[in-house]
Amino acid sequence: DTGVSQNPRHKITKRGQNVTFRCDPISEHNRLYWYRQTLGQGPEFLTYFQNEAQLEKSRLLSDRFSAERPKGSFSTLEIQRTEQGDSAMYLCASSSIRTTGDLNTEAFFGQGTRLTVV
Amino acid sequence: KQEVTQIPAALSVPEGENLVLNCSFTDSAIYNLQWFRQDPGKGLTSLLLIQSSQREQTSGRLNASLDKSSGRSTLYIAASQPGDSATYLCAVLPFFSSNTGKLIFGQGTTLQVKP
Repeated sequence: DTGVSQNPRHKITKRGQNVTFRCDPISEHNRLYWYRQTLGQGPEFLTYFQNEAQLEKSRLLSDRFSAERPKGSFSTLEIQRTEQGDSAMYLCASSSIRTTGDLNTEAFFGQGTRLTVV
Repeated sequence: KQEVTQIPAALSVPEGENLVLNCSFTDSAIYNLQWFRQDPGKGLTSLLLIQSSQREQTSGRLNASLDKSSGRSTLYIAASQPGDSATYLCAVLPFFSSNTGKLIFGQGTTLQVKP
């Protein structure tokens, strides 16, 4: 397994356009997370899935944002009508939640998608 | 509300020096704490994960300690090398949301190791 994969690595778009990012998690991981990171800051949680179910969304995720994880495999994050404030690094992470013994929550991150809205 | 702080924001040291990066958190009720490395323009690489019941974890030249009661963790890097230059992030998993796996990050410390 090659780890968490994100595409594209970079995206430049004009304000008002729609963009879609893809994340392929580690194959046996049932949890998938999206985070957003702006320059000089740590990542901030956006949303997460367990299998195909989206279990939580942050207030940061306005109604212009939508995420899906069909069939519990890869995930997409779409931003509609992009704004300059959406410019950031979008990070995907996956983990395998085990409920026997210690809860194993170690997260593995992808290389991110750098979005620039001009 | 849990807040995570990393000080300093940036650090420059000569090669070979031992150094300590600091992470503090406001709520001691954590499930675990994870240290990550991030190279410029890249994603995060997990370095060490410390469970709340543990005091420290070691991997090679890295040693992370956890003092839950004081809300602090440190990442010790021995014999620093130019290749260690990167941003180091700590993240906590709050105890009461441990089942979500949702991490709260500090803003990072950017380390430069000069040859």
